[in-house]
Amino acid sequence: LAKTTQPISMDSYEGQEVNITCSHNNIATNDYITWYQQFPSQGPRFIIQGYKTKVTNEVASLFIPADRKSSTLSLPRVSLSDTAVYYCLVFNTGRRALTFGSGTRLQVQP
Amino acid sequence: DSGVTQTPKHLITATGQRVTLRCSPRSGDLSVYWYQQSLDQGLQFLIQYYNGEERAKGNILERFSAQQFPDLHSELNLSSLELGDSALYFCASSYEGGSNQPQHFGDGTRLSIL
Repeated sequence: LAKTTQPISMDSYEGQEVNITCSHNNIATNDYITWYQQFPSQGPRFIIQGYKTKVTNEVASLFIPADRKSSTLSLPRVSLSDTAVYYCLVFNTGRRALTFGSGTRLQVQP
Repeated sequence: DSGVTQTPKHLITATGQRVTLRCSPRSGDLSVYWYQQSLDQGLQFLIQYYNGEERAKGNILERFSAQQFPDLHSELNLSSLELGDSALYFCASSYEGGSNQPQHFGDGTRLSIL
């Protein structure tokens, strides 16, 4: 079962780029990596997903090195509304294994 | 709006009781997941269903059980409730339950045990 590790918290200022890294040392071949954002008293919301290299969408980028033992969520030019908890998820349907990270609490200051 | 509906939004009960949480997945989604989130804690995966069949099991207690019905809605049953079961319970759904498919989460049921 993949074990994931994330920093507990991070601080940033509006307009800066924020990078949050998740370690998943024993990731398996067919595991996908997904990131979610969660606001208080709400369900998590999908941000981005990847398997290897780099993926970019309208809100974030995801960098996955060749060994896939970590992944980095990059949020460009954060705003106050990006203050939330960010979770990485490693999921392998074949092994029926699903592991959420413990979450990174991002605080964006004006 | 994720399209996933969870009822009730809040539930208050006593120790030793039994409750049922309900989830209607997003239209077209065949797979349902259940998670538990205790106060200021991360998401603990409980169980996944795909088209009525159990697909994956996480750290679900024996006092808890779930099922997915032919109309694809799902129910999570919690029995012999303890104070430590107080938490937010989330349901999520995805199209076929594959690891490359994003999950869409409901807003949860907040369970309080007195």
